[in-house]
Amino acid sequence: KNQVEQSPQSLIILEGKNCTLQCNYTVSPFSNLRWYKQDTGRGPVSLTIMTFSENTKSNGRYTATLDADTKQSSLHITASQLSDSASYICVVSKKEGSTLGRLYFGRGTQLTVWP
Amino acid sequence: DAMVIQNPRYQVTQFGKPVTLSCSQTLNHNVMYWYQQKSSQAPKLLFHYYDKDFNNEADTPDNFQSRRPNTSFCFLDIRSPGLGDAAMYLCATMAGGLSREQFFGPGTRLTVL
Repeated sequence: KNQVEQSPQSLIILEGKNCTLQCNYTVSPFSNLRWYKQDTGRGPVSLTIMTFSENTKSNGRYTATLDADTKQSSLHITASQLSDSASYICVVSKKEGSTLGRLYFGRGTQLTVWP
Repeated sequence: DAMVIQNPRYQVTQFGKPVTLSCSQTLNHNVMYWYQQKSSQAPKLLFHYYDKDFNNEADTPDNFQSRRPNTSFCFLDIRSPGLGDAAMYLCATMAGGLSREQFFGPGTRLTVL
């Protein structure tokens, strides 16, 4: 069964601290993996997208890693800011013959950054 | 610059009163999607268009319909909203090529009274 599991479900950290969010998936065959940030009441915004051959990708203070062998990904946030408070969603795309690769969404990690 | 625009951002309707949500895009993408997202849950795909080719998910209720009159616009019609249809509705478009990156709109929050 194609699934995407994220942990932790929620996380509270102090401003300025680092944190790491986890994503495990069973989607196969794998096409790519994305991390989205979703602010409350807003649509998801893409942070990174990684294909099979990419191990690490950074976007400012966000660094995503991918281990396609173990089917695990992480999102590391450095020097957290209050504006980082949001839900972080891991999305895995399945490789299919058509141009429309189906997306599988995790339930997200709700991050709260306290001052 | 807004690329996927949804209107209205907040919609309040009465139980059983039809409602239409709209989505427009400036990206000229072939594919457009409608998702339903309830609190603390992952977005759930309702249907998608590849150009004018409509694809309905098997578990999307008949109460939900969609129209895509042209590349730029897509509409979600809820014929008889129930209390369980209260949710955030997200529109997304997809770029072509191997990246298949989806661009989401800001969403429409639907409240059913």
